Amino acid sequence: GNSVTQMEGPVTLSEEAFLTINCTYTATGYPSLFWYVQYPGEGLQLLLKATKADDKGSNKGFEATYRKETTSFHLEKGSVQVSDSAVYFCALKSSNSGYALNFGKGTSLLVTP
Amino acid sequence: GAVVSQHPSRVICKSGTSVKIECRSLDFQATTMFWYRQFPKQSLMLMATSNEGSKATYEQGVEKDKFLINHASLTLSTLTVTSAHPEDSSFYICSAGGGSYNEQFFGPGTRLTVL
Repeated sequence: GNSVTQMEGPVTLSEEAFLTINCTYTATGYPSLFWYVQYPGEGLQLLLKATKADDKGSNKGFEATYRKETTSFHLEKGSVQVSDSAVYFCALKSSNSGYALNFGKGTSLLVTP
Repeated sequence: GAVVSQHPSRVICKSGTSVKIECRSLDFQATTMFWYRQFPKQSLMLMATSNEGSKATYEQGVEKDKFLINHASLTLSTLTVTSAHPEDSSFYICSAGGGSYNEQFFGPGTRLTVL
């Protein structure tokens, strides 16, 4: 079956540090890949997505590249801000599962001034 | 992207009462809606999937008689927690998919506290 594995948190970084949150997946076919962000006390917001191999999703300085050869979709940001403190979820949508998503367990990020 | 709302955002109720949470797609027709439950510092747990006009499909371990889901229109789904108990306290999130969109859009969540 489909599954998503992302690095355990919490991750604590100083402001302006480089961020990488690893995400790998297992899926049949050609899934779409997503990163969602959840700020404290709120629901999920789509951060970025990629729908085919070698696509790069980007938003708000965050980037992730769909790597089919390594089945990965690592999230990166060159310089984090305190306002980026949140929980980040990697997710996949199988090409034949309608709208259903498989989520990773989430990675909590804390950015300190 | 599309907008999904939830109401209420927070609810506190007494043990034994029932609570209804609404999920609305504001600017598109949601053929499929999902209900998730999230415990503190944990990932989302899918509770059920509902397609408009048909019965919801519940995930293993979710009591369908306790968590009643209705998806009577293309813009509204409701989750009713019946005879709520303190262990039902959680953050409930809905999402919706449909229209020309090929992805889910999430509501802001409802914090349920059962005293």
